[in-house]
Amino acid sequence: GQQLNQSPQSMFIQEGEDVSMNCTSSSIFNTWLWYKQDPGEGPVLLIALYKAGELTSNGRLTAQFGITRKDSFLNISASIPSDVGIYFCAGRNTGGFKTIFGAGTRLFVKA
Amino acid sequence: EAGVAQSPRYKIIEKRQSVAFWCNPISGHATLYWYQQILGQGPKLLIQFQNNGVVDDSQLPKDRFSAERLKGVDSTLKIQPAKLEDSAVYLCASSQSTRLAGAKNIQYFGAGTRLSVL
Repeated sequence: GQQLNQSPQSMFIQEGEDVSMNCTSSSIFNTWLWYKQDPGEGPVLLIALYKAGELTSNGRLTAQFGITRKDSFLNISASIPSDVGIYFCAGRNTGGFKTIFGAGTRLFVKA
Repeated sequence: EAGVAQSPRYKIIEKRQSVAFWCNPISGHATLYWYQQILGQGPKLLIQFQNNGVVDDSQLPKDRFSAERLKGVDSTLKIQPAKLEDSAVYLCASSQSTRLAGAKNIQYFGAGTRLSVL
């Protein structure tokens, strides 16, 4: 079945550093989504991307929909302790409405 | 606007017992999803409803899992009998409609039910 490869699996950074994570797939998607999940909570949508090449920001977060439609990245600038959590990419495929999730990137921020 | 409500938040059972989870989606959302999230993994879709009809249950272990959404609003997910490998967080999500593109098809998640099977 379809799979998303999300990397890195985990990141340990200092407060104030920038972070970059990405997601790749062997399949084409027509929507890319980035979610954040805090401990004991469900995933919360951060950014949604609908067109190839689209670059969208949400505060300190910026995400891009890859030109090939098979990848996406998320950047976090000037990280703060509350950025700690698990970041999931998700893709929705063309012609169907199933959403596939990556395995997540676990972010740890040291104050 | 109220979010997706799930109960219970936690459940501990012994293997071979049965368990049920409840979900109330965001008001007006036609599509409801149940996901299984095993520790260290991303959510995996179990079943998707559009109103009270099943759209996709291809990854639902139908020998032990069942789900219903009789009136097109609330939904229950049942496991009977439970196995050790069913220990996971069960997430419910809803969206306006799976038949709409773009923002109207964005899924909003509940806090989940954490199941431990001993």
